[in-house]
Amino acid sequence: NAGVTQTPKFRILKIGQSMTLQCAQDMNHNYMYWYRQDPGMGLKLIYYSVGAGITDKGEVPNGYNVSRSTTEDFPLRLELAAPSQTSVYFCASSWGAGANVLTFGAGSRLTVL
Amino acid sequence: GENVEQHPSTLSVQEGDSAVIKCTYSDSASNYFPWYKQELGKRPQLIIDIRSNVGEKKDQRIAVTLNKTAKHFSLHITETQPEDSAVYFCAASENSYDKVIFGPGTSLSVIP
Repeated sequence: NAGVTQTPKFRILKIGQSMTLQCAQDMNHNYMYWYRQDPGMGLKLIYYSVGAGITDKGEVPNGYNVSRSTTEDFPLRLELAAPSQTSVYFCASSWGAGANVLTFGAGSRLTVL
Repeated sequence: GENVEQHPSTLSVQEGDSAVIKCTYSDSASNYFPWYKQELGKRPQLIIDIRSNVGEKKDQRIAVTLNKTAKHFSLHITETQPEDSAVYFCAASENSYDKVIFGPGTSLSVIP
């Protein structure tokens, strides 16, 4: 039982490049989330999903896209990377119903130069 | 949407003293309030949570109180130890079935 797995752990992008952060969970959780954490700052919700085929915007969705084709996977797509997207990205999942106890992945550190 | 504020942003205490972190939320529909601890370079982990039908919850040295009328909730850590040093985040969920919004965090340092 691996929990929430994120890849890659580290990535450097050039301005204007695109990439996808992968997130997979093996706990059969319904809910999945993407947060970003800027240095010394809190966690800001980018997008979340309450089940396969359903996604919704969080607090800071601009510049990102997501999809949820299966219960297990929730990739985050960055289009036209900008320096403002330099951050640590955390994927999380939960059962959702009754208590949103989040299980976080280890994080993906992204630098845009 | 929900907005969560948290104070103080940094807190230093002597080992053995108590630490209190306070949060406020804006959406009266929120009814689930978790607290997460994030050690340096690690992922956040849940330490305690409380639902809106409960005023207080305790787990060993950690307790959380909730005042729904005032939209306040607080984390209390007693007999602090150096391993309590971390960033603590409060959060609120708009309902039990929805997104979780975090406060900006409190960096707690416990001085031996």
